[in-house]
Order: sequence, then structure tokens, then C-alpha cells
Amino acid sequence: QSALTQPAAVSGSPGQSITLSCTGSTSDVGLYKYVSWYQQHPGKAPKLMIYEVNSRPSGVSNRFSGSKSGNTASLTISGLQAEDEADYYCSSYTSSSAPEVFGGGTKLTVL
Amino acid sequence: EVQLAQSGAEVKKPGESLKISCEASGYSFSNYWIAWVRQTPGKGLESMGIIHPDGSRPRYSPSFQGQVTISVDKSINTAYLQWSSLEASDTAIYYCARPLVPGSVTGFEIWGQGTLVTVSS
Repeated sequence: QSALTQPAAVSGSPGQSITLSCTGSTSDVGLYKYVSWYQQHPGKAPKLMIYEVNSRPSGVSNRFSGSKSGNTASLTISGLQAEDEADYYCSSYTSSSAPEVFGGGTKLTVL
Repeated sequence: EVQLAQSGAEVKKPGESLKISCEASGYSFSNYWIAWVRQTPGKGLESMGIIHPDGSRPRYSPSFQGQVTISVDKSINTAYLQWSSLEASDTAIYYCARPLVPGSVTGFEIWGQGTLVTVSS
């Protein structure tokens, strides 16, 4: 199965809002409501930030929000903070035998 | 506290076998799938496969089917990932992960600390 497509790098200034994209296909993102977003800091395990397209786990800041349109999912981070600098991965349920496919990841730099 | 505790780092030679573990605690093990995810140095995340503690057949990503074996021992709340013959390209960090929602196979809220596997002659 093909990985989802994410931009390699995105940058923003503190206080800004940025949107990360994640493009899949009609077999994954476009077909199912099960899109997740993960944040990973260097040397750490990934952290779930969004699940089921736009739901936030307990404890995740409401500055993080998710959406989907067609085959593309998006993660928006508002009020960008230095601590948001990390790698972000999207994933989607897929109808293949192993049910989750990841994107290649986006490195977010806070200028 | 809900957690997944993985076995320690391994250094192996090509052709050797290996089995790493992921012990769950703090929740009802039977209610959640357990997934294995690979991360190669400096690279992204790859879903390897997923298993339910009831012992039903694991589901593998096409890239990993036939390359690894995923299993579970419900009596000790532990999932396993094993190789019969390692290759240098298996060098990576391996994470086990549990979904947030019981019965779901996506949206991994709980992650193990990762097991670094190094394969080198």
C-alpha cells in the first residue's frame, strides 16, 4: 500500500496559524472517517493529536484541529508555539489487510 | 497507569532470529488491538501489522507479510514481534501501540517506548 503524501517541511512564526496537508486516495482518506494525526519530538514516541478526522484525545490542546475534504486531510495548529516544533504524521484507515497507512511526515519549524 | 513496556535494545547479525516483546498494563488487555510500527533512522512511520488479544489471525501490511510474525500471549498481557532471519535493512526502532478506542484498529493513543534493533555483521 502507498504511503499518504505530506509536504516534507513547513514553517511558521509564533502566534501564527498553519495548516498541514495529507493527501491520500479513494481507498483511504477519501473513503473513511478514520484519519489520525501524530506529533513526534526527537527521540520520543509519537503522540496522538487527532483521531477520527477531527476528535482530540483528552489533554490535547484545542489549538490543534483536524478536517477532511475529499482525499485530503488537514491539521491546523493555531497560535503556533515553540513547543509545537516537531514532526507530524497523518494516518488513515485503509481497506488493505493491515488497516493503517501513514504519511511520510512533515517537519514543522517554528521560526 | 496505562502503559506498554517494550523489551530492550538488541544488536544482531544478519541471518539471526529475534523476538521482541510489548507488555501491557493498567487496562483490560482483551479490549484493545495491539499494533507494531517501524521507524527507520531519520525516516517515517510504517504500519507493520496488528493483532487482537483474543488470538485471532494477525493482519499484516503487504510490505511485511511473510517477513515478520506477530503474536500475543493473553495470559501475560504481552504482544510479540519476531523475525526468523534478520537483514541489515531491518535496522530500525520498533514501537508497539494501542488505539484510543476499544475495538478500533486506528488512532493509537498509547505507545511503547520503542525497541531499537540493530542488524550488523
